[in-house]
Amino acid sequence: GQQLNQSPQSMFIQEGEDVSMNCTSSSIFNTWLWYKQDPGEGPVLLIALYKAGELTSNGRLTAQFGITRKDSFLNISASIPSDVGIYFCAGETNFGNEKLTFGTGTRLTIIP
Amino acid sequence: EPEVTQTPSHQVTQMGQEVILRCVPISNHLYFYWYRQILGQKVEFLVSFYNNEISEKSEIFDDQFSVERPDGSNFTLKIRSTKLEDSAMYFCASSSQDTQYFGPGTRLTVL
Repeated sequence: GQQLNQSPQSMFIQEGEDVSMNCTSSSIFNTWLWYKQDPGEGPVLLIALYKAGELTSNGRLTAQFGITRKDSFLNISASIPSDVGIYFCAGETNFGNEKLTFGTGTRLTIIP
Repeated sequence: EPEVTQTPSHQVTQMGQEVILRCVPISNHLYFYWYRQILGQKVEFLVSFYNNEISEKSEIFDDQFSVERPDGSNFTLKIRSTKLEDSAMYFCASSSQDTQYFGPGTRLTVL
């Protein structure tokens, strides 16, 4: 089946640092999404990308939909303590209202 | 802001017992989903539901699983005879256009 690999698996950073993580796939997705999951809670949507090459921002978060449609990255600028959590990419083969394939996750920890 | 709700937040059951996990999707959404997440692993798709029928299901969603929309607001996942390996977080999601919104999950523990 389709697999999404995220890197890095985990990150330990200082507050205020920028963060970059990415997601790659062996197959094409036509929609890319980035979710954040806090412990014991459900995934919360951060950014949705619908077009190859698209660069979208949401506050301190920026994500890009790769030209090949097989990858995406997420950047977080000037990290703050509430950024701690697990970040998942997710891909959708078609456009809307079908299953999401989730990545393996990147765990972000902020060192005080 | 509207949100997906799930009950119970935690369900403990004995192996072989039936469980029903409940979800109330966002009210104007038409597409409903169940996902599961085994502890420490990624979120996995189970089933999608639209227009009162299953639109897609994964290999995980075998004959022990069923879904139902018994009324205009609830969406349920039933596991007929639970196994130890069914222990996981189960997330309900709903969507209207493109974006799936997830509930807080039900933690199922099978003993």
